Amino acid sequence: GAVVSQHPSWVICKSGTSVKIECRSLDFQATTMFWYRQFPKQSLMLMATSNEGSKATYEQGVEKDKFLINHASLTLSTLTVTSAHPEDSSFYICSASKSSEQYFGPGTRLTVT
Amino acid sequence: GENVEQHPSTLSVQEGDSAVIKCTYSDSASNYFPWYKQELGKRPQLIIDIRSNVGEKKDQRIAVTLNKTAKHFSLHITETQPEDSAVYFCAASMRAGGSYIPTFGRGTSLIVHP
Repeated sequence: GAVVSQHPSWVICKSGTSVKIECRSLDFQATTMFWYRQFPKQSLMLMATSNEGSKATYEQGVEKDKFLINHASLTLSTLTVTSAHPEDSSFYICSASKSSEQYFGPGTRLTVT
Repeated sequence: GENVEQHPSTLSVQEGDSAVIKCTYSDSASNYFPWYKQELGKRPQLIIDIRSNVGEKKDQRIAVTLNKTAKHFSLHITETQPEDSAVYFCAASMRAGGSYIPTFGRGTSLIVHP
């Protein structure tokens, strides 16, 4: 199989605080992980591509200082939303690639109050 | 960069009918085309994929066709069932460095009426 976990599944935080989201590939090594943001009834918006051991590649318009990505190992990538604001509230989904196929995590619902 | 257009945005069918979702892409370097199904509140799940060296692939009630010349690919679902109701995303992927980078379509909300 190809299982990807994501933690936490939901989080509520106060404006100005930081939140860390973890993405793990449980039964395979993923050289590349992707972070997406999804608004209700909309498509997956790629935020960044993360390769193990190197800096993440951010999509245009995504602030790298606000959305910190660390890909520490072949099975773990983290996304930290720094100084979160209500407009950062969204559904964040990671995926891990196994060859050409991508396998998605269950997503994290972030609500910033 | 790659641009993927997906149509229709919403598709409503009666149970037992067929459903077809179409996507076009712009970059001829794309060579891997997966389709994902996302049920409400859940993660996207890979349901079928096709590579550029193949014109058609079938898996039970689901089939995908690819026309490289025209740069379009389609998902066909036959004998639809209510549990097929979900949002379907197409993607066009190309190899960049050691990875495949996908570009997703906007999604099609499929509603199957019993």
